[in-house]
Amino acid sequence: QKEVEQNSGPLSVPEGAIASLNCTYSDRGSQSFFWYRQYSGKSPELIMFIYSNGDKEDGRFTAQLNKASQYVSLLIRDSQPSDSATYLCAVTNRDDKIIFGKGTRLHILP
Amino acid sequence: NAGVTQTPKFQVLKTGQSMTLQCAQDMNHNSMYWYRQDPGMGLRLIYYSASEGTTDKGEVPNGYNVSRLNKREFSLRLESAAPSQTSVYFCASSDMRVDGYTFGSGTRLTVV
Repeated sequence: QKEVEQNSGPLSVPEGAIASLNCTYSDRGSQSFFWYRQYSGKSPELIMFIYSNGDKEDGRFTAQLNKASQYVSLLIRDSQPSDSATYLCAVTNRDDKIIFGKGTRLHILP
Repeated sequence: NAGVTQTPKFQVLKTGQSMTLQCAQDMNHNSMYWYRQDPGMGLRLIYYSASEGTTDKGEVPNGYNVSRLNKREFSLRLESAAPSQTSVYFCASSDMRVDGYTFGSGTRLTVV
């Protein structure tokens, strides 16, 4: 069974600090990696994707990928209360399907 | 641009009743998907359609059927609803899997 693992949280971070969300995956053939944000009662929204090893930055968000360690992370700088949500890690595996993790709940403390 | 539209948003069914969840996308995407999301279980793929005219089972297809009516529309049918099918259902579409999915707003289904 190809899996994507995330700590369910909740992860509590003070406003203005850096939030670090982590994800591991089991399929070494995975090619594409995504981070979705889901507010309570809403649908998932794509916020970042990364295909190559290293860092990818978009505004306050940075996605990090290490294929050798099968590890993906999302950093949120200058965390805001509006960042409080569940963050879903998703991975495209060699069967060409996107597998989702169960999500990490993030709570930004004002 | 509406993106992915799902109807209805809420539904209550009695055990044994049938219903169809509708999904339509206006982004000219080839692929469409149906997921269910349950507390502690995450998003689980029910069925998907890689292109018009094709459908395939996902992780949890039992109790469901789908129809890819045309490129825009992908419906999910529950023939005989069971309480275990109480969930939030999301439809999604994509042009290329490498670009990720666009999700609809979801249908909250309760089977009593």
